[in-house]
Amino acid sequence: NAGVMQNPRHLVRRRGQEARLRCSPMKGHSHVYWYRQLPEEGLKFMVYLQKENIIDESGMPKERFSAEFPKEGPSILRIQQVVRGDSAAYFCASSPGTGEAGYTFGSGTRLTVV
Amino acid sequence: DAKTTQPTSMDCAEGRAANLPCNHSTISGNEYVYWYRQIHSQGPQYIIHGLKNNETNEMASLIITEDRKSSTLILPHATLRDTAVYYCIVVPNFGNEKLTFGTGTRLTIIP
Repeated sequence: NAGVMQNPRHLVRRRGQEARLRCSPMKGHSHVYWYRQLPEEGLKFMVYLQKENIIDESGMPKERFSAEFPKEGPSILRIQQVVRGDSAAYFCASSPGTGEAGYTFGSGTRLTVV
Repeated sequence: DAKTTQPTSMDCAEGRAANLPCNHSTISGNEYVYWYRQIHSQGPQYIIHGLKNNETNEMASLIITEDRKSSTLILPHATLRDTAVYYCIVVPNFGNEKLTFGTGTRLTIIP
């Protein structure tokens, strides 16, 4: 049973370009969470999605950032017009949405803006 | 969600038991205690969780006080690969709540 898959592992973008980060949850998991970790800092919650719905986006910057989790396919975190301050590790976690089951994290995408 | 308090850092000798404390004095009755760790810059790794009973798995043991206001994660025989930041997180047992990470405890295993 594959874990949470994130791709790409490393992404380099020039300032002003768009970055697309993908997250495929574990099989049977319908809830996805995105976190950002700036260099030498802790994990900060960004957004929580269920299939086709955004449940909580309280940690998402109001501009340039968006997330989706379509009925088919992976969850996508999109960052438009990237700036150097967007350089960070972005982690995705998934859960089945019920019960005690733990949240499983992916290996992350390291975004570098040059 | 209830807040947690952990020491900033700890050292432990290789081969000894590492005991990591966590205070969660405002925990409510339906909230579980979860422990995760992050090794270097990898994705957080689930370790163990519990509600009120002590729990043990192949990685660690979790001791929760009777009043549930604090807990201790025990790594019975620490190895160098256990060097990581350890996070204690309290979350309602709904399975659909976000995890809120604090600053955690940076555990260093000394050879």
